[in-house]
Amino acid sequence: GDSVTQMEGPVTLSEEAFLTINCTYTATGYPSLFWYVQYPGEGLQLLLKATKADDKGSNKGFEATYRKETTSFHLEKGSVQVSDSAVYFCALSDPGSGTSYGKLTFGQGTILTVHP
Amino acid sequence: DADVTQTPRNRITKTGKRIMLECSQTKGHDRMYWYRQDPGLGLRLIYYSFDVKDINKGEISDGYSVSRQAQAKFSLSLESAIPNQTALYFCATRTGQNYNEQFFGPGTRLTVL
Repeated sequence: GDSVTQMEGPVTLSEEAFLTINCTYTATGYPSLFWYVQYPGEGLQLLLKATKADDKGSNKGFEATYRKETTSFHLEKGSVQVSDSAVYFCALSDPGSGTSYGKLTFGQGTILTVHP
Repeated sequence: DADVTQTPRNRITKTGKRIMLECSQTKGHDRMYWYRQDPGLGLRLIYYSFDVKDINKGEISDGYSVSRQAQAKFSLSLESAIPNQTALYFCATRTGQNYNEQFFGPGTRLTVL
């Protein structure tokens, strides 16, 4: 079945540091890939997405490129801020068929803490 | 106003009690989902519904039931709560179009003593 593996956390960085959170996946079809962010006490919000190989999703200075050859979708940001402290989830949606349509499969989440 | 709302936001209950968590959405989406979040495990799908008459089990449906009262409302019930159902529960909605993301509610923190 489908699965998503994220790098283990927590990740602690100083402000303005470079961020990478690794994400790899296995899927039977051609999935769409997502990064969601969860700020303290809130629900998940979509950060960015990519729907086909070599697509780059970007938002709020974050980027991730859909790499089919390495089955990866690593999240990067060149200069993190304290306000980026949150939990980040990588997820895939495999179009599949029948009742699996649209189901999201999540990674375990990576806690990011950014210090001033 | 929030597009996806959940009530209650926090609930403490005792083992054996029946609990209902409610979700409402104003996005007009036909697809709705219930997830639970546990530390280190990400989110896992409990139930999902493609319309009022189409309800499907997810990967961890045992001990849970759902009701889709209307397109905009999707409730999750724990018939007899047990401590290992202590978790953060999220409702989400989505359109039927391919590649579209899910939109999440703020979550309900449930503690079963």
